[in-house]
Amino acid sequence: AQSVAQPEDQVNVAEGNPLTVKCTYSVSGNPYLFWYVQYPNRGLQFLLKYITGDNLVKGSYGFEAEFNKSQTSFHLKKPSALVSDSALYFCAVREAENYGGSQGNLIFGKGTKLSVKP
Amino acid sequence: DSGVTQTPKHLITATGQRVTLRCSPRSGDLSVYWYQQSLDQGLQFLIQYYNGEERAKGNILERFSAQQFPDLHSELNLSSLELGDSALYFCASSVGSTQYFGPGTRLTVL
Repeated sequence: AQSVAQPEDQVNVAEGNPLTVKCTYSVSGNPYLFWYVQYPNRGLQFLLKYITGDNLVKGSYGFEAEFNKSQTSFHLKKPSALVSDSALYFCAVREAENYGGSQGNLIFGKGTKLSVKP
Repeated sequence: DSGVTQTPKHLITATGQRVTLRCSPRSGDLSVYWYQQSLDQGLQFLIQYYNGEERAKGNILERFSAQQFPDLHSELNLSSLELGDSALYFCASSVGSTQYFGPGTRLTVL
């Protein structure tokens, strides 16, 4: 069964410092991995995804994530955090073999609240 | 703005009632997914439609049903509502691997 773990409920970072939000996954086949961000009273916004290729994926708002197959991880990173980055971050996974318009639902982690202080 | 629209934004109703949530996908997207977000269960997949046909089911209760119409908009019907059905309901659409989410409908059952 597919699953996603976000081990930290909350991450606190000072503005200007680098941030990391952790994610590990479990799938039986090859994974498609995603990061989404949710601001209060808003929907989920797509940040970035890993499908194949380069293990370092760059996304919106200066975020990037590194796919590590041996550690089954897909940690979200940003070199310099902004106060406006404070939000709830979700990691999600689906099996690559389900791609193609067929079954493709995402399995989400529980979310990590990122708090960036000035 | 993701291009996915959902109506209504808020819905307050009583136990035992029935409600319909509506979703319009991004132009050209054939797949529509419904998710439920609650404090205790997190984000859970409910059901997927692809070009009018049901394609996958997740943790969707028998009291809930959905459909996708020829114009590709989708409706999620929730009946015999219980207090525990109070949650944020999202729909998402995709044509490729990325799902784009609507702003959600917040359902409050009193």
